[in-house]
Amino acid sequence: NAGVMQNPRHLVRRRGQEARLRCSPMKGHSHVYWYRQLPEEGLKFMVYLQKENIIDESGMPKERFSAEFPKEGPSILRIQQVVRGDSAAYFCASSPPGTGSAEQYFGPGTRLTVT
Amino acid sequence: GDSVTQMEGPVTLSEEAFLTINCTYTATGYPSLFWYVQYPGEGLQLLLKATKADDKGSNKGFEATYRKETTSFHLEKGSVQVSDSAVYFCALSDLGTGGFKTIFGAGTRLFVKA
Repeated sequence: NAGVMQNPRHLVRRRGQEARLRCSPMKGHSHVYWYRQLPEEGLKFMVYLQKENIIDESGMPKERFSAEFPKEGPSILRIQQVVRGDSAAYFCASSPPGTGSAEQYFGPGTRLTVT
Repeated sequence: GDSVTQMEGPVTLSEEAFLTINCTYTATGYPSLFWYVQYPGEGLQLLLKATKADDKGSNKGFEATYRKETTSFHLEKGSVQVSDSAVYFCALSDLGTGGFKTIFGAGTRLFVKA
């Protein structure tokens, strides 16, 4: 059973470009979470999605950031018009369906560098 | 809201020393508690967990006990190895809107010297 997959692992963008980060959850998992980790800091919750629904986006910046988890395909975190402050590691996690599982399985992360 | 506070690092120990990393939490509900480990350049791996008061999670020689009375979940290991050098995150997961939401501490970096 493959783990959570994220791609790309490393992404370099110039200021003003768009960044698209992909996350494929573990097989059978229908809950996806995105977190951001700034250098030397902990993980900050961004958004929680189920298939075709955003459940909790309380951690998402109000502008330039969006996330989706379509019926088919991976979850996408999109950052428009990137700025230097967006440079961070972005981690995706997944968990099984239902509310009975608090345990999340993490992907290896995408390290975004904005130049 | 819910929060996790863990001791600041870095923590530097010699091989075979005893390790304690303190973690306390605040939560409105009855959360599950976790320790995750992050090795350089990698994602987080679940190290151990506890889902109710007085539960002890253990894995790879690490232990932590869910103490509701002191709202704590301190991580301990009797004899650390160089390979234990990593960043350790304490976390809680509580039922929020429609499902579980995990709150992480800031992380504690551990260096183990040979």
